[in-house]
Amino acid sequence: DSGVTQTPKHLITATGQRVTLRCSPRSGDLSVYWYQQSLDQGLQFLIQYYNGEERAKGNILERFSAQQFPDLHSELNLSSLELGDSALYFCASSVTGTGGRTEAFFGQGTRLTVV
Amino acid sequence: AQSVAQPEDQVNVAEGNPLTVKCTYSVSGNPYLFWYVQYPNRGLQFLLKYITGDNLVKGSYGFEAEFNKSQTSFHLKKPSALVSDSALYFCAVRASMIKAAGNKLTFGGGTRVLVKP
Repeated sequence: DSGVTQTPKHLITATGQRVTLRCSPRSGDLSVYWYQQSLDQGLQFLIQYYNGEERAKGNILERFSAQQFPDLHSELNLSSLELGDSALYFCASSVTGTGGRTEAFFGQGTRLTVV
Repeated sequence: AQSVAQPEDQVNVAEGNPLTVKCTYSVSGNPYLFWYVQYPNRGLQFLLKYITGDNLVKGSYGFEAEFNKSQTSFHLKKPSALVSDSALYFCAVRASMIKAAGNKLTFGGGTRVLVKP
């Protein structure tokens, strides 16, 4: 168990809908990262938050947004869903936001299926 | 921009034989390098990392990796593979120059390892 908790584990929704994925980082970790894993795109970095502030942005669509709350949990909001958004979404956390030396610990992911 | 290449989609090896999973990287400045393993329907598990110092890094489950700066490589190795090592392996890089690239971890495309009995 990595200590990173993601809910829900599975999500099935229709095209055009909006969903929220939730992540609780390991205790003491200030950084949260979101990744999307799909068969054709591999593991893609979406966005990183550090202590409530956006720190880095990757290939995140405008239909997607995220935030990190004062208690350090994070939510990834996906809207106007398309079939191609079906993927495994991972959250990871690490202690530092700027040092870079520490490894990130991953949750078990949320499998999103858009039908 | 930073990037990672894992040139082999799949590596097949017999149990007991040496296992090598290749990784090359591109990053500005000095790299921080990581290996992760993913079992079916599971998240990624950290195996080992190179930050600085000795080029040979030892990690979990008997894995090790060798950092080669001139070849910009960080190959994962295990002297004697087990059937239970069959999984998807990811190499990742993070720039030490955080200002340039944020703190994101960039992953390679993954290499599936199949260890046959």
